[in-house]
Amino acid sequence: NAGVTQTPKFRVLKTGQSMTLLCAQDMNHEYMYWYRQDPGMGLRLIHYSVGEGTTAKGEVPDGYNVSRLKKQNFLLGLESAAPSQTSVYFCASRGQEYSPLHFGNGTRLTVT
Amino acid sequence: QQQVKQSPQSLIVQKGGISIINCAYENTAFDYFPWYQQFPGKGPALLIAIRPDVSEKKEGRFTISFNKSAKQFSLHIMDSQPGDSATYFCAAIINFGNEKLTFGTGTRLTIIP
Repeated sequence: NAGVTQTPKFRVLKTGQSMTLLCAQDMNHEYMYWYRQDPGMGLRLIHYSVGEGTTAKGEVPDGYNVSRLKKQNFLLGLESAAPSQTSVYFCASRGQEYSPLHFGNGTRLTVT
Repeated sequence: QQQVKQSPQSLIVQKGGISIINCAYENTAFDYFPWYQQFPGKGPALLIAIRPDVSEKKEGRFTISFNKSAKQFSLHIMDSQPGDSATYFCAAIINFGNEKLTFGTGTRLTIIP
């Protein structure tokens, strides 16, 4: 029972490069979320999904795209990385309403 | 626009003491208020949660106090232990609504011997 798995764990990009972060959950959860965590700013919601085939914008969506083609996977893409996107990215999922979020262990991304 | 405000940013408490972290929210449609605990290098994990129809919830040494009229809620850690040293986040969500879980900015708690 892996829960929420994020890959990769670490990545260094040059400005302008692109990459995709993968999140996989094995709990059959409907809702999935991508957050970024920066010092002093808590966890800010980038994009989220309320079910397979759906996506919605969070607080800080600019510069990111997402896709939820399969219920168990939620992909976060950076089309043209910028230094301001240096952060730790967390994926989370949850089941029905009033249930807690289950987080992955994060991806540390550095853009130089 | 920060919908959930958390204080203090950092807190140092002696072992055996009471740790208190406060949060305030603006949107009265929020109907579920969880607290998360995060250790270095790990993702946050649910600690305790409350709905606004109760004023207090206790689980072991951890208690949430909820004041609906003041739009405030707080986490109390009794008999604080060094193992409680972590970052704590309050959060709020509207269930059966937009389903967005909004977090506070976090409190770094350090328990000293």
